[in-house]
Amino acid sequence: AQSVTQPDIHITVSEGASLELRCNYSYGATPYLFWYVQSPGQGLQLLLKYFSGDTLVQGIKGFEAEFKRSQSSFNLRKPSVHWSDAAEYFCAVGQTGANNLFFGTGTRLTVIP
Amino acid sequence: KAGVTQTPRYLIKTRGQQVTLSCSPISGHRSVSWYQQTPGQGLQFLFEYFSETQRNKGNFPGRFSGRQFSNSRSEMNVSTLELGDSALYLCASSLDVTLASPLHFGNGTRLTVT
Repeated sequence: AQSVTQPDIHITVSEGASLELRCNYSYGATPYLFWYVQSPGQGLQLLLKYFSGDTLVQGIKGFEAEFKRSQSSFNLRKPSVHWSDAAEYFCAVGQTGANNLFFGTGTRLTVIP
Repeated sequence: KAGVTQTPRYLIKTRGQQVTLSCSPISGHRSVSWYQQTPGQGLQFLFEYFSETQRNKGNFPGRFSGRQFSNSRSEMNVSTLELGDSALYLCASSLDVTLASPLHFGNGTRLTVT
């Protein structure tokens, strides 16, 4: 069965500091992996996705993520956080041929000035 | 290009009632998926429609149903509402079902059951 674990419920970082949000997945085949961001009262916005190829993927808003098959991880990173990055971040896994994603429970990011 | 539009944004219903939520996908998108978001269970897949056919269904009781029209607009219906159905219901559209086309989410409908 597919599942996604985001071990950090809440992370607080200072503006300008680096950020890493953890994501571990369980999936029998090569997964399709995604990171989404949700601001309060809003829907989900896709930050980046991994299907195959280069294990380091670049996304919008300066985010990147690295797929590590040996660790079943797909951690999200940003070198310098901005106050506007405060939001909830969701990691998700899916399979080709179906638009049903399995989401992690999310990590809420607080950015302090 | 307009995004995914969900109506209404907020709903308050009483236990036992039924409710219908609407989703208008991005123009040209033929796949529509529905998700339920709650603090306790997180984001859970409800069902997916493509070309008016339900392709996948999540693990929800039969009280949850949906449909898609020929213009790709979709509705979901929840009958005999329970308190636990209180949630943010998100609709997502995409061009196709390959996941290579990203899911675009609407801002959701917040359903409160009292």
